[in-house]
Amino acid sequence: QVHLQESGPGLAKPSETLSLTCTVSGDSISSSIFSWDWIRQPPGKGLEWIGKLYSSGTTYHNPSLKSRVTISVDTSQNQFSLKLSSVTAADTAVYYCARVPGGGEFGMDVWGQGTTVTVS
Amino acid sequence: DIQLTQSPSSVSASVGDRVTITCRASQGISSWLAWYQQKPGKAPRLLIYAASTLQSGVPSRFSGSGSSTDFTLTISSLRPEDFATYYCQQANTLPWTFGQGTKVEMK
Repeated sequence: QVHLQESGPGLAKPSETLSLTCTVSGDSISSSIFSWDWIRQPPGKGLEWIGKLYSSGTTYHNPSLKSRVTISVDTSQNQFSLKLSSVTAADTAVYYCARVPGGGEFGMDVWGQGTTVTVS
Repeated sequence: DIQLTQSPSSVSASVGDRVTITCRASQGISSWLAWYQQKPGKAPRLLIYAASTLQSGVPSRFSGSGSSTDFTLTISSLRPEDFATYYCQQANTLPWTFGQGTKVEMK
């Protein structure tokens, strides 16, 4: 049974860099049949897709976040990470990681429980 | 970016009711659409992918249909555990996008 767990500081100061990690268990993050995504949800609002990590190591992030996003992988720890720079109060949200089988046609089938980040 | 517009934004319904939620895409996305259910304080749960395929373990009262720009999620007979917020999501074109959500509330 695959399990994803987000971790990281729950509080960040404005202008700093937010760093989060998603630890994957029960599956290999290097598997070629999955990509791994970050999604966030501001308080009381909808879901916003942040970006993804392909098994090749290639990443893609939402242009709406400009160049503030860095997604990386640590295969030795079976983890992938999100860094979001120059944070503001607008980045306050619950951050989720999720597994994506195939090219996205099968949806995001496994999600972490989410971690709350407050920028203040 | 592809915009997804859900309607209604909220719906009041009773147990046993049939509920239909629509999702309209700003451009054609073939069948690259998924539906998720989210309850307060919880992560979203995948219900349907490829517009109409039920995710394993999801009750058969949930169904999806549509292609290109118009999609629907139907709950054939609402159960108490179905009161939640539902989101559509497209995976046809990066960046992936979500609809704004539809809250199914108890009448």
